[in-house]
Amino acid sequence: DQQVKQNSPSLSVQEGRISILNCDYTNSMFDYFLWYKKYPAEGPTFLISISSIKDKNEDGRFTVFLNKSAKHLSLHIVPSQPGDSAVYFCAAGNTNAGKSTFGDGTTLTVKP
Amino acid sequence: DAGITQSPRHKVTETGTPVTLRCHQTENHRYMYWYRQDPGHGLRLIHYSYGVKDTDKGEVSDGYSVSRSKTEDFLLTLESATSSQTSVYFCAISPWSGGASTDTQYFGPGTRLTVL
Repeated sequence: DQQVKQNSPSLSVQEGRISILNCDYTNSMFDYFLWYKKYPAEGPTFLISISSIKDKNEDGRFTVFLNKSAKHLSLHIVPSQPGDSAVYFCAAGNTNAGKSTFGDGTTLTVKP
Repeated sequence: DAGITQSPRHKVTETGTPVTLRCHQTENHRYMYWYRQDPGHGLRLIHYSYGVKDTDKGEVSDGYSVSRSKTEDFLLTLESATSSQTSVYFCAISPWSGGASTDTQYFGPGTRLTVL
């Protein structure tokens, strides 16, 4: 049973437009959520996180929205840039556990 | 960037041989993790450690063992490698301390393992 799902394996957007990456979870015990970005041949890097007590967190061009009732979160990138082309992983965890569960990732391609 | 290295970076081995991958950190973080990444499966947790000699299983621990005798080193061992263990292995560290903090993780560059 996959607890964190990213249903879109890939997404292609034009430079300057908005990219929206989605993530769904099933475990109601998750109380924080993170997004990681991964370039080929490199390890993932932390991008942004959100606590379950918030519904939005913003950091520059990146905003994460959390809808707890729907068990859904999304990452918005505005405006998208070619350098944003990467695999994006959604992850979720519980503050008492010390570990996260990752989704399968979404490959974002931003076309110039 | 967090000081985390993995060795070797690439390895080709034969079925049935033992393999040990090493993760080394210079950040003195308490938590360390081993993941494998396979196409269509994202990042799956193999084992993790919450202190010296304190380890626990992840979701895909069968066929793997770990050891942590020092804060800075976390070893992943495949006792008898199989072709299904061909993968890219990532080590991660976290300063997580419990309570209200999140386990933001910092990843190493990965080890590409091929089992023939």
